[in-house]
Amino acid sequence: DTEVTQTPKHLVMGMTNKKSLKCEQHMGHRAMYWYKQKAKKPPELMFVYSYEKLSINESVPSRFSPECPNSSLLNLHLHALQPEDSALYLCASSQEDGATGELFFGEGSRLTVL
Amino acid sequence: GEDVEQSLFLSVREGDSSVINCTYTDSSSTYLYWYKQEPGAGLQLLTYIFSNMDMKQDQRLTVLLNKKDKHLSLRIADTQTGDSAIYFCAETIYNQGGKLIFGQGTELSVKP
Repeated sequence: DTEVTQTPKHLVMGMTNKKSLKCEQHMGHRAMYWYKQKAKKPPELMFVYSYEKLSINESVPSRFSPECPNSSLLNLHLHALQPEDSALYLCASSQEDGATGELFFGEGSRLTVL
Repeated sequence: GEDVEQSLFLSVREGDSSVINCTYTDSSSTYLYWYKQEPGAGLQLLTYIFSNMDMKQDQRLTVLLNKKDKHLSLRIADTQTGDSAIYFCAETIYNQGGKLIFGQGTELSVKP
């Protein structure tokens, strides 16, 4: 299994809603990532988890809250988002978090904030 | 500082070769990557090269790395319409925890 699975594929939410994005991998990877991508722009790193601990937080607003319940799962909890947070949210995983290998990306969750 | 630059657009005819170029600034890059993104999809790793290599070939793809000039290129031979996508160059920096620095992406358009 060489897939990173993200759910839901599409999400529409209001600014007062609370929702979560989910990501799962069964490749035994110990590093997992959240990226945000606007249309036709490169992905921007949000968070990195290494061995289930948050290792990088790229100054992301607190309305985004990551969680890594175990080595296979990564969640992104969303609360009180703004319309400008509408984007494609990509999850990725790699064997380790060092510069030693490739990232496997999921297909993304497309978020629209009304 | 870290910066990766690419030209934004490239248009080729089906059957021709495509060459997508990328320059980077950080000499402590360890790996350099090419990712492909089709419309509405996630990123697909096409190939990568370790910074002490000059060239890597994988079927229709050839990656050339000029470390002195900090220049990376991706050549796609016999380009097909299915190759139309955005291609991102990316690098990882030693000791930065797997953080990928992406270029702006080159939109490749293949005309029949």
